[in-house]
Amino acid sequence: DGGITQSPKYLFRKEGQNVTLSCEQNLNHDAMYWYRQDPGQGLRLIYYSQIVNDFQKGDIAEGYSVSREKKESFPLTVTSAQKNPTAFYLCASRTYNEQFFGPGTRLTVL
Amino acid sequence: KQEVTQIPAALSVPEGENLVLNCSFTDSAIYNLQWFRQDPGKGLTSLLLIQSSQREQTSGRLNASLDKSSGRSTLYIAASQPGDSATYLCAVNDNDMRFGAGTRLTVKP
Repeated sequence: DGGITQSPKYLFRKEGQNVTLSCEQNLNHDAMYWYRQDPGQGLRLIYYSQIVNDFQKGDIAEGYSVSREKKESFPLTVTSAQKNPTAFYLCASRTYNEQFFGPGTRLTVL
Repeated sequence: KQEVTQIPAALSVPEGENLVLNCSFTDSAIYNLQWFRQDPGKGLTSLLLIQSSQREQTSGRLNASLDKSSGRSTLYIAASQPGDSATYLCAVNDNDMRFGAGTRLTVKP
């Protein structure tokens, strides 16, 4: 089955820890995205990558980092510099026209 | 900067009703508009994609329209069912994807 997988589904972080969220796609899409979703708000773009070894900051990149070493993988690291990381994180990939989403990771700071 | 607004934020209807969800955007220079469904704690599932040159798209009981010049799209759901209960989001593609905050729909049996 073609699609986007995210792991883990739930993640708990202690204050001061860095954590990495995984995103893998087998759709052969060049473009991949990370969004953050908070209750009652739309999706906000964290980082995106149009091609391997290249990525750009989105609207709320502070406190996050990414890498794009392989076409199918786009991991997101939430660093200790992100002051309010508790949220639902969604990974997406895109053809020219249409965007496809993974199932999401819910991150909670303890 | 493109802004996308969805009204209402929440909607509750009895089963069987036809309903309309609204999406408005501020910049009409878009490539396409996409409607998504999101169930609680899940990712987004694409429902309909309308290209900027199209006026509407249909899939089963769903019909989406696009009026690019006025910056509006509607999602029409016919004969609503409890299984339609979810949050519906619209997103406009003007090279970036911009999302509305969604409409939370509850269909009561």
